Amino acid sequence: IAGITQAPTSQILAAGRRMTLRCTQDMRHNAMYWYRQDLGLGLRLIHYSNTAGTTGKGEVPDGYSVSRANTDDFPLTLASAVPSQTSVYFCASSDGGENTEAFFGQGTRLTVV
Amino acid sequence: GQNIDQPTEMTATEGAIVQINCTYQTSGFNGLFWYQQHAGEAPTFLSYNVLDGLEEKGRFSSFLSRSKGYSYLLLKELQMKDSASYLCAVRDSNYQLIWGAGTKLIIKP
Repeated sequence: IAGITQAPTSQILAAGRRMTLRCTQDMRHNAMYWYRQDLGLGLRLIHYSNTAGTTGKGEVPDGYSVSRANTDDFPLTLASAVPSQTSVYFCASSDGGENTEAFFGQGTRLTVV
Repeated sequence: GQNIDQPTEMTATEGAIVQINCTYQTSGFNGLFWYQQHAGEAPTFLSYNVLDGLEEKGRFSSFLSRSKGYSYLLLKELQMKDSASYLCAVRDSNYQLIWGAGTKLIIKP
């Protein structure tokens, strides 16, 4: 693994189903983030974690949950998918310093039907 | 509320110069980032400004004026591979990134 990896790359999901998007990084970054990106809108923060064992809500957390059991992994779960959750999901990480950028995974394209 | 404004789309010619503007209104300011995102790919970091002035990095430069809530990204000697979306993001008082919707840059031969 090099950098930050997301799985799956894409998924078609029936409404009402449960789904976990996986995110793993090998850069030992403290902070991790989940964003969704929709056409015409900026990246919107769903949940974040500043360090292992802690999580926080972002701008659009409803319908999503996260956990951060260790430094490397930050899964995002949709408990009961709805069509409005159709989006491209990006996981990102940073070491949390003043001027450090976020590194992004390649994204998961999720379609809820 | 917090707001980042960028033009939706711009067109420029290969070899030319283009300036992409970003204005922001956020609760606090702890730095401004520019990212490049090719279609279907992840955003990648281009530049960071926290103090007023110009930061130059090869063909790309980024400018910040905190008093005006304004930044621009300047791309010189445009190449076809520069066709992408350019995202402006501001880190607010909570150290969270607030993102603009991005500017789609189309380069024509």
